[in-house]
Amino acid sequence: QVQLVESGGGVVQPGGSLRLSCAASGLTFSTSVMHWVRQAPGKGLEWLAVIRYDGNGIYYSDSVKGRFSISRDNSKNTLFLQMNRLRAEDTAVYYCAKEPTSKYYFDYWGQGTLVTVSS
Amino acid sequence: QSALTQPASVSGSPGQSITMSCTGTSSDIGRYNLVSWYQQNPGKAPKLMIYEVTERPSGVSNRFSGSKSGNTASLTISGLQGEDEADYYCCSYADNSGFANWVFGGGTKVTVL
Repeated sequence: QVQLVESGGGVVQPGGSLRLSCAASGLTFSTSVMHWVRQAPGKGLEWLAVIRYDGNGIYYSDSVKGRFSISRDNSKNTLFLQMNRLRAEDTAVYYCAKEPTSKYYFDYWGQGTLVTVSS
Repeated sequence: QSALTQPASVSGSPGQSITMSCTGTSSDIGRYNLVSWYQQNPGKAPKLMIYEVTERPSGVSNRFSGSKSGNTASLTISGLQGEDEADYYCCSYADNSGFANWVFGGGTKVTVL
């Protein structure tokens, strides 16, 4: 079955950087569209970024554009989120999610990894 | 892109039907039949319940149904059960000045009385 496992979360100071990973199994990762979605403590879901199967077609939400970068390594079935210039408001659980190609919804989600931005 | 608007909470007794709304704009819900709904239990990842406004994934109870009218989408739970108590989020694809974008609602907490 499809499994998405995020890692790389932790505590980081404001202005710092962190790189999240999402290891995928049970699917043909190289043809999968992948997203990052986050959820601040006690808050709702917020879409962050998408990357198409070939690494093109990259889009970001306005809230992270210019600070976060999504990428993938199809040879390692892994999705990444490089987060720079982190702010307190970036504190959240970060989920990776899979989209059935060109279907615009999320059919599988990881369990999430917590990022805390605090001094 | 502004978040979609959902009621903070909806409640009902076992066996009843409840409906929760999700209001967007002509740039998201009103433009695309690409509304999806997710159920989230505390400390868990979201689970897909409805996609493309009305479609139900395999394994999701037929007590869950979706609809849309204009800029507002709705999720109905029929025959409410205790296991349905959770947070529910709507989501729509949107075109943000030519750039792909997805927008979520703030979530609705469903309480089974």
